[in-house]
Amino acid sequence: NAGVTQTPKFRVLKTGQSMTLLCAQDMNHEYMYWYRQDPGMGLRLIHYSVGEGTTAKGEVPDGYNVSRLKKQNFLLGLESAAPSQTSVYFCASILRGLSTDTQYFGPGTRLTVL
Amino acid sequence: AQSVSQHNHHVILSEAASLELGCNYSYGGTVNLFWYVQYPGQHLQLLLKYFSGDPLVKGIKGFEAEFIKSKFSFNLRKPSVQWSDTAEYFCAVTAGGTSYGKLTFGQGTILTVHP
Repeated sequence: NAGVTQTPKFRVLKTGQSMTLLCAQDMNHEYMYWYRQDPGMGLRLIHYSVGEGTTAKGEVPDGYNVSRLKKQNFLLGLESAAPSQTSVYFCASILRGLSTDTQYFGPGTRLTVL
Repeated sequence: AQSVSQHNHHVILSEAASLELGCNYSYGGTVNLFWYVQYPGQHLQLLLKYFSGDPLVKGIKGFEAEFIKSKFSFNLRKPSVQWSDTAEYFCAVTAGGTSYGKLTFGQGTILTVHP
Protein backbone atom coordinates (compact mmCIF):
# COMPACT_ATOMS: atom_id res chain seq x y z
CA ASN A 1 0.00 0.00 0.00
CA ALA A 2 1.95 3.00 -1.31
CA GLY A 3 -0.65 5.63 -0.34
CA VAL A 4 -0.43 8.76 -2.49
CA THR A 5 2.44 9.03 -4.93
CA GLN A 6 3.47 11.87 -7.23
CA THR A 7 5.55 11.94 -10.38
CA PRO A 8 7.98 13.63 -10.95
CA LYS A 9 9.58 14.82 -7.69
CA PHE A 10 11.42 17.72 -9.31
CA ARG A 11 11.13 19.53 -12.61
CA VAL A 12 12.58 22.63 -14.21
CA LEU A 13 10.71 24.22 -17.12
CA LYS A 14 11.27 27.19 -19.33
CA THR A 15 8.53 29.78 -19.71
CA GLY A 16 5.97 28.56 -22.23
CA GLN A 17 6.72 24.87 -21.92
CA SER A 18 4.05 22.40 -20.92
CA MET A 19 4.06 19.49 -18.53
CA THR A 20 1.81 17.08 -16.67
CA LEU A 21 2.08 16.09 -13.03
CA LEU A 22 0.74 12.67 -12.10
CA CYS A 23 -0.87 11.77 -8.81
CA ALA A 24 -1.76 8.18 -8.03
CA GLN A 25 -3.45 6.65 -4.99
CA ASP A 26 -4.04 3.00 -4.17
CA MET A 27 -6.54 3.48 -1.33
CA ASN A 28 -9.68 3.46 -3.48
CA HIS A 29 -10.37 7.06 -2.48
CA GLU A 30 -13.17 8.90 -4.27
CA TYR A 31 -11.98 12.49 -3.83
CA MET A 32 -8.67 13.89 -4.98
CA TYR A 33 -7.14 17.36 -4.78
CA TRP A 34 -4.28 19.40 -6.15
CA TYR A 35 -2.73 22.13 -3.98
CA ARG A 36 0.17 24.48 -4.45
CA GLN A 37 2.38 25.57 -1.57
CA ASP A 38 4.11 28.93 -1.61
CA PRO A 39 6.15 30.48 1.23
CA GLY A 40 4.02 32.43 3.65
CA MET A 41 0.79 31.47 1.89
CA GLY A 42 0.14 27.95 3.10
CA LEU A 43 -1.48 25.55 0.67
CA ARG A 44 -4.07 26.71 -1.81
CA LEU A 45 -6.48 24.48 -3.68
CA ILE A 46 -6.06 24.44 -7.46
CA HIS A 47 -8.56 21.84 -8.63
CA TYR A 48 -10.31 18.86 -7.15
CA SER A 49 -12.29 15.82 -8.23
CA VAL A 50 -15.22 14.13 -6.52
CA GLY A 51 -14.97 10.98 -8.59
CA GLU A 52 -13.80 9.40 -11.80
CA GLY A 53 -14.57 11.61 -14.77
CA THR A 54 -15.32 14.72 -12.69
CA THR A 55 -13.26 17.83 -11.97
CA ALA A 56 -13.95 21.20 -10.35
CA LYS A 57 -12.10 24.48 -9.82
CA GLY A 58 -10.58 25.41 -6.52
CA GLU A 59 -9.23 28.70 -5.24
CA VAL A 60 -6.44 29.25 -7.80
CA PRO A 61 -7.30 27.34 -11.00
CA ASP A 62 -6.01 29.77 -13.65
CA GLY A 63 -3.26 28.36 -15.85
CA TYR A 64 -3.93 24.75 -14.85
CA ASN A 65 -6.06 21.93 -16.22
CA VAL A 66 -6.85 18.57 -14.69
CA SER A 67 -8.22 15.20 -15.66
CA ARG A 68 -9.48 12.17 -13.74
CA LEU A 69 -9.90 9.45 -16.33
CA LYS A 70 -9.24 6.70 -13.81
CA LYS A 71 -10.31 6.66 -10.18
CA GLN A 72 -6.78 6.14 -8.92
CA ASN A 73 -5.13 8.90 -10.99
CA PHE A 74 -5.46 12.68 -10.99
CA LEU A 75 -3.40 14.62 -13.52
CA LEU A 76 -2.46 18.29 -13.29
CA GLY A 77 -1.42 20.00 -16.52
CA LEU A 78 0.34 23.26 -17.22
CA GLU A 79 -0.21 24.20 -20.87
CA SER A 80 2.13 27.19 -20.96
CA ALA A 81 4.22 27.47 -17.84
CA ALA A 82 4.90 30.87 -16.27
CA PRO A 83 7.41 31.87 -13.57
CA SER A 84 4.45 32.54 -11.23
CA GLN A 85 3.77 28.80 -11.30
CA THR A 86 7.07 28.07 -9.58
CA SER A 87 5.87 26.26 -6.49
CA VAL A 88 5.62 22.96 -4.67
CA TYR A 89 2.60 20.97 -5.76
CA PHE A 90 0.87 18.52 -3.47
CA CYS A 91 -1.77 15.99 -4.31
CA ALA A 92 -4.15 14.65 -1.68
CA SER A 93 -7.04 12.23 -1.45
CA ILE A 94 -9.84 11.25 0.89
CA LEU A 95 -12.15 8.30 0.99
CA ARG A 96 -15.65 9.75 0.79
CA GLY A 97 -15.48 13.54 0.69
CA LEU A 98 -16.89 14.10 4.13
CA SER A 99 -15.78 17.33 5.78
CA THR A 100 -14.44 15.30 8.70
CA ASP A 101 -12.28 13.01 6.57
CA THR A 102 -8.51 13.17 6.90
CA GLN A 103 -6.70 14.07 3.70
CA TYR A 104 -3.69 11.95 2.78
CA PHE A 105 -0.96 13.87 1.01
CA GLY A 106 1.63 12.87 -1.51
CA PRO A 107 5.33 13.77 -1.18
CA GLY A 108 5.09 16.80 -3.46
CA THR A 109 6.56 17.95 -6.78
CA ARG A 110 8.94 20.90 -6.75
CA LEU A 111 8.51 22.85 -9.99
CA THR A 112 10.71 25.71 -11.12
CA VAL A 113 9.77 27.79 -14.14
CA LEU A 114 12.60 29.90 -15.55
CA ALA B 1 -15.97 31.44 2.25
CA GLN B 2 -13.87 30.50 5.20
CA SER B 3 -10.39 31.81 5.96
CA VAL B 4 -7.69 30.79 8.41
CA SER B 5 -5.05 32.95 10.05
CA GLN B 6 -1.92 31.82 11.83
CA HIS B 7 -0.37 34.74 13.60
CA ASN B 8 3.13 33.41 14.16
CA HIS B 9 5.24 33.02 11.05
CA HIS B 10 8.36 31.70 12.74
CA VAL B 11 8.72 30.49 16.32
CA ILE B 12 12.10 29.67 17.82
CA LEU B 13 12.30 27.67 21.06
CA SER B 14 14.79 25.73 23.09
CA GLU B 15 14.18 22.09 23.91
CA ALA B 16 11.81 21.53 26.86
CA ALA B 17 10.10 24.89 26.34
CA SER B 18 6.33 24.97 26.07
CA LEU B 19 4.68 25.65 22.73
CA GLU B 20 1.49 27.37 21.74
CA LEU B 21 0.72 28.18 18.10
CA GLY B 22 -2.23 30.37 17.36
CA CYS B 23 -4.93 29.67 14.78
CA ASN B 24 -8.06 31.67 14.14
CA TYR B 25 -10.67 31.01 11.51
CA SER B 26 -13.41 33.02 9.96
CA TYR B 27 -16.62 31.24 9.05
CA GLY B 28 -20.20 31.62 10.19
CA GLY B 29 -21.21 27.99 10.12
CA THR B 30 -20.03 24.65 11.40
CA VAL B 31 -16.36 23.91 10.82
CA ASN B 32 -14.04 21.00 11.22
CA LEU B 33 -10.52 21.85 12.32
CA PHE B 34 -7.20 20.22 11.59
CA TRP B 35 -3.53 20.66 12.39
CA TYR B 36 -1.05 19.24 9.92
CA VAL B 37 2.72 19.08 10.27
CA GLN B 38 5.35 19.07 7.54
CA TYR B 39 8.80 17.89 8.60
CA PRO B 40 11.70 19.10 6.44
CA GLY B 41 11.56 17.47 3.02
CA GLN B 42 8.45 15.46 3.82
CA HIS B 43 4.77 15.59 2.98
CA LEU B 44 2.01 16.85 5.26
CA GLN B 45 0.87 14.57 8.05
CA LEU B 46 -2.17 14.92 10.30
CA LEU B 47 -1.41 15.86 13.90
CA LEU B 48 -4.96 16.06 15.17
CA LYS B 49 -8.46 17.06 14.21
CA TYR B 50 -11.65 18.26 15.81
CA PHE B 51 -15.18 17.97 14.50
CA SER B 52 -17.38 17.50 17.58
CA GLY B 53 -17.40 16.58 21.26
CA ASP B 54 -14.71 17.47 23.77
CA PRO B 55 -13.11 20.72 22.59
CA LEU B 56 -9.73 19.59 23.91
CA VAL B 57 -8.27 17.26 21.33
CA LYS B 58 -5.17 15.13 21.78
CA GLY B 59 -3.06 14.16 18.82
CA ILE B 60 0.11 12.32 18.04
CA LYS B 61 3.53 13.05 19.55
CA GLY B 62 2.14 14.77 22.64
CA PHE B 63 0.37 17.58 20.81
CA GLU B 64 -3.05 18.86 21.80
CA ALA B 65 -5.37 21.62 20.63
CA GLU B 66 -8.30 23.42 22.16
CA PHE B 67 -11.30 24.58 20.16
CA ILE B 68 -12.78 27.79 21.60
CA LYS B 69 -15.89 28.49 19.60
CA SER B 70 -16.48 31.96 21.04
CA LYS B 71 -13.01 33.04 19.94
CA PHE B 72 -13.01 31.17 16.60
CA SER B 73 -9.70 29.68 17.69
CA PHE B 74 -8.00 26.31 17.58
CA ASN B 75 -4.57 26.76 19.15
CA LEU B 76 -1.99 24.00 19.13
CA ARG B 77 -0.03 23.23 22.30
CA LYS B 78 2.74 21.00 23.54
CA PRO B 79 4.09 21.18 27.11
CA SER B 80 7.70 20.36 26.24
CA VAL B 81 9.10 20.50 22.71
CA GLN B 82 11.91 18.39 21.32
CA TRP B 83 14.44 19.08 18.60
CA SER B 84 12.54 16.60 16.42
CA ASP B 85 9.48 18.88 16.50
CA THR B 86 11.27 21.27 14.15
CA ALA B 87 8.83 21.53 11.25
CA GLU B 88 6.19 23.71 9.65
CA TYR B 89 2.73 23.54 11.16
CA PHE B 90 -0.48 24.26 9.31
CA CYS B 91 -3.92 24.91 10.69
CA ALA B 92 -6.76 24.07 8.30
CA VAL B 93 -10.54 23.97 8.24
CA THR B 94 -13.31 22.40 6.24
CA ALA B 95 -16.81 23.77 6.27
CA GLY B 96 -19.40 21.39 7.62
CA GLY B 97 -21.95 19.94 5.29
CA THR B 98 -21.36 19.73 1.53
CA SER B 99 -17.85 21.11 1.30
CA TYR B 100 -16.43 18.14 -0.62
CA GLY B 101 -13.72 17.90 2.02
CA LYS B 102 -11.93 20.96 0.67
CA LEU B 103 -9.34 22.26 3.11
CA THR B 104 -8.60 25.94 3.65
CA PHE B 105 -5.14 26.36 5.13
CA GLY B 106 -3.51 29.02 7.21
CA GLN B 107 -0.20 30.52 6.17
CA GLY B 108 1.82 28.08 8.23
CA THR B 109 4.13 28.52 11.24
CA ILE B 110 7.74 27.42 11.06
CA LEU B 111 8.92 26.01 14.38
CA THR B 112 12.63 25.78 15.04
CA VAL B 113 13.71 23.98 18.20
CA HIS B 114 17.29 24.38 19.33
CA PRO B 115 18.90 21.52 21.29
